[in-house]
Amino acid sequence: DSGVTQTPKHLITATGQRVTLRCSPRSGDLSVYWYQQSLDQGLQFLIHYYNGEERAKGNILERFSAQQFPDLHSELNLSSLELGDSALYFCASSVEMNSPLHFGNGTRLTVT
Amino acid sequence: AQSVTQLDSQVPVFEEAPVELRCNYSSSVSVYLFWYVQYPNQGLQLLLKYLSGSTLVKGINGFEAEFNKSQTSFHLRKPSVHISDTAEYFCAVTVRQGAQKLVFGQGTRLTINP
Repeated sequence: DSGVTQTPKHLITATGQRVTLRCSPRSGDLSVYWYQQSLDQGLQFLIHYYNGEERAKGNILERFSAQQFPDLHSELNLSSLELGDSALYFCASSVEMNSPLHFGNGTRLTVT
Repeated sequence: AQSVTQLDSQVPVFEEAPVELRCNYSSSVSVYLFWYVQYPNQGLQLLLKYLSGSTLVKGINGFEAEFNKSQTSFHLRKPSVHISDTAEYFCAVTVRQGAQKLVFGQGTRLTINP
């Protein structure tokens, strides 16, 4: 058990809809990262937050947004969903910015 | 920007045979390097990391990797694999300073045959 909790585990929704994925980092970890894993794109870095502030952005679409709250949990919001957004979304946390990442078990999003 | 290339998408080996999973990286600045393993329906787990010091790093489950700066490589090795090592293995790189984002390779699927 990595200590990183992601909810929900599975999400099935229709195109055009909006969903929110939630991540609780390991106790004491200040950094939260979001990744998208798909068969054709592999593991793509989306965004990194450190202690509530955005620190780095990757290949995150404008339809996607994220935030980290004062209690350090994070949410990834995906809107105007398309079929191609179907993927595994992972959250990872670390105690400092260059520390190894601890991954949650992911949220599997299926857009129909 | 940094990047990672895992040269083999799939590696089949027999149980108790040695294995090497290849990883090359590209970066204009100093980096940290990692190997992660992903078992089916699970998140990624850290196998080992290179931050500084000795270029040969040992990780969990008997794996080790060697950082070669001149060849910009960080190959993963295990002298004798077990059926339970069947998984997807990811090499990853991040720069030591600046924007903190861990960039992953495409992964290598290691299949151990009895």
